[in-house]
Amino acid sequence: DQQVKQNSPSLSVQEGRISILNCDYTNSMFDYFLWYKKYPAEGPTFLISISSIKDKNEDGRFTVFLNKSAKHLSLHIVPSQPGDSAVYFCAARINAGNNRKLIWGLGTSLAVNP
Amino acid sequence: EAGVAQSPRYKIIEKRQSVAFWCNPISGHATLYWYQQILGQGPKLLIQFQNNGVVDDSQLPKDRFSAERLKGVDSTLKIQPAKLEDSAVYLCASSLSGRTHEQYFGPGTRLTVT
Repeated sequence: DQQVKQNSPSLSVQEGRISILNCDYTNSMFDYFLWYKKYPAEGPTFLISISSIKDKNEDGRFTVFLNKSAKHLSLHIVPSQPGDSAVYFCAARINAGNNRKLIWGLGTSLAVNP
Repeated sequence: EAGVAQSPRYKIIEKRQSVAFWCNPISGHATLYWYQQILGQGPKLLIQFQNNGVVDDSQLPKDRFSAERLKGVDSTLKIQPAKLEDSAVYLCASSLSGRTHEQYFGPGTRLTVT
């Protein structure tokens, strides 16, 4: 049962344009949502997070939007740069008492073309 | 600040052999995680430590996998005996206590079981 879904395995955009990566979830008990970026042969790198009580969080070129009614979040990268080419993972934190852990999506591979 | 260290980076073994991975988290990070990432999938949590105690090992195949964090700092993950389906990248991550939504990952160990 995939609680965090990234339905687009890949995305290709032109340098300077907007990249929009999407993520859907099924569990209403998630209290944080996160985006991680992963380059080949490296571990994932934390990018940006949003609390379930917020609907937007912005950090430089990266903005995450949360739509709780639709159980959907998206990551916007503006403007996209070739160095943004990587696999992006959506993750959600489940908070069950003393046990807090992340549930991960399958990832979306972003290619930013010069 | 030094990041999460892992060794070895690559390991090739035959099925039924044993293997061990080592992780040294970021200094001061009380929470340590071991993940398994199979190609094309998101990371799957195997075990989570809070200091030297286990918080969650619900997805650890305990008949063949074991992990320890005896002094609450570095950790080892062992597989004995290995199976072909254990071929994956094993990621170690750490976070400050309670901040499981901000995990810092090491580069991972790529295991190939032949």
